[in-house]
This record gives sequence, structure tokens and C-alpha cells, in this order.
Amino acid sequence: AQSVTQLGSHVSVSEGALVLLRCNYSSSVPPYLFWYVQYPNQGLQLLLKYTSAATLVKGINDFEAEFKKSETSFHLTKPSAHMSDAAEYFCAVKKGGGADGLTFGKGTHLIIQP
Amino acid sequence: DAGVIQSPRHEVTEMGQEVTLRCKPISGHDYLFWYRQTMMRGLELLIYFNNNVPIDDSGMPEDRFSAKMPNASFSTLKIQPSEPRDSAVYFCASRPGRQDNEKLFFGSGTQLSVL
Repeated sequence: AQSVTQLGSHVSVSEGALVLLRCNYSSSVPPYLFWYVQYPNQGLQLLLKYTSAATLVKGINDFEAEFKKSETSFHLTKPSAHMSDAAEYFCAVKKGGGADGLTFGKGTHLIIQP
Repeated sequence: DAGVIQSPRHEVTEMGQEVTLRCKPISGHDYLFWYRQTMMRGLELLIYFNNNVPIDDSGMPEDRFSAKMPNASFSTLKIQPSEPRDSAVYFCASRPGRQDNEKLFFGSGTQLSVL
């Protein structure tokens, strides 16, 4: 079954610093991968998605993620953190076997230090 | 469009009571999903519908949980009887047909506390 593992439940960076949130996947077929963001008291919003086109995917708010098959990874990065980036970030993979829906990771809470 | 609308935003109830959570998906979306979010287990898919028909309910934890979608603009998730371990945030999400590759639109969630 398809699954994702997010390394680190909390990540803290200084404003202006590089953001790196890690996600590794397990999939028996070429995966569709996603990053979602959840701001406090809100539902999740799609940041970006990988669907087997370009391996470097650009999303909203200057976030990007690179699909690396050799490392089974789909890490999320942003060159310069902003205070407004503080949120919970979820990596997700499309369920396989023709099923709809996504399987989400446990989430990483991003903290931005002033 | 107003987005996915869930009600209530917060629900506090006592163990043994019936709880009904409501969701209005985005108009025109064919798929509706119910997720549960807890600290321990993260986001779990409970059930999803396609064109009002339940497709996969394998994530529903027990028979105490049931979900319906009587029409394209309304769905309910019911817990009867409720238990303290059901305390969580319940999200409803919808999306258009298959061509949109799983971009889900989430509601703001219902925070459920069972005392």
C-alpha cells in the first residue's frame, strides 16, 4: 500500500532562512505526491503536486519540491522563510489500486523564529 | 464559491450521545471525502462518495459511525453512541472529477469533544 513518512514533527527556522521539510514515500507504482498546508483553525490547502511530469515541482508562495525516485523522497523547500509560513505541512500520496483519495503523513509543524 | 462548508465548527457532547456532522461540498464537485484528524493518528480517510454513492468506507472505525449523502449538496457523518476516543477534528473535502488528480478542497473542520 502507498504510504508517506514525514521526518520531524516540528521544524524551527529563522525568518529568511531556508525551509526544508522531509517526506519519503513507499509505493509499488509510480506515485502521485502532494504537499498540503494547514493554517491554524483552517482546512488543508494544496501547495503543489507531482504527477510524473517534471521532477521539480513549483507551488504557491515560492515553495517547491523535488521528486527523487532513487531516494524515494519528495522534500519540500523554500529559499527564504516568512513569518506567514508558520503552519502544519502534510505530505500525501494518492492511494493505489484504482482507489480514490489520499494517504497523508502525520504532518510537520513549521515554526518561524523572528 | 463559498468553498466547502462544515457545521458545526465546534461540538461538545457527553459520552453516549448522538453526534451529527454536516458538510456542503463545492457545487459541481463529484467526490466528497470525510477525514478525521488526531494527534496520534494524523489524518485518516473515513469514507468517500462519488456522485452521492459511497465508494469506500473501509476507514470507518466502527459501526457506531455512519455517513450519508442524500444529494449532491449535502452529506452527514453520524456517530451513535459517541465515545471520548472519538474526540478529533473531522474534515470534509470535495473535488471535481478524475481529471483533476486529487486536488482536494477542504472545509474548516468540526472540532468534536466527547466528554
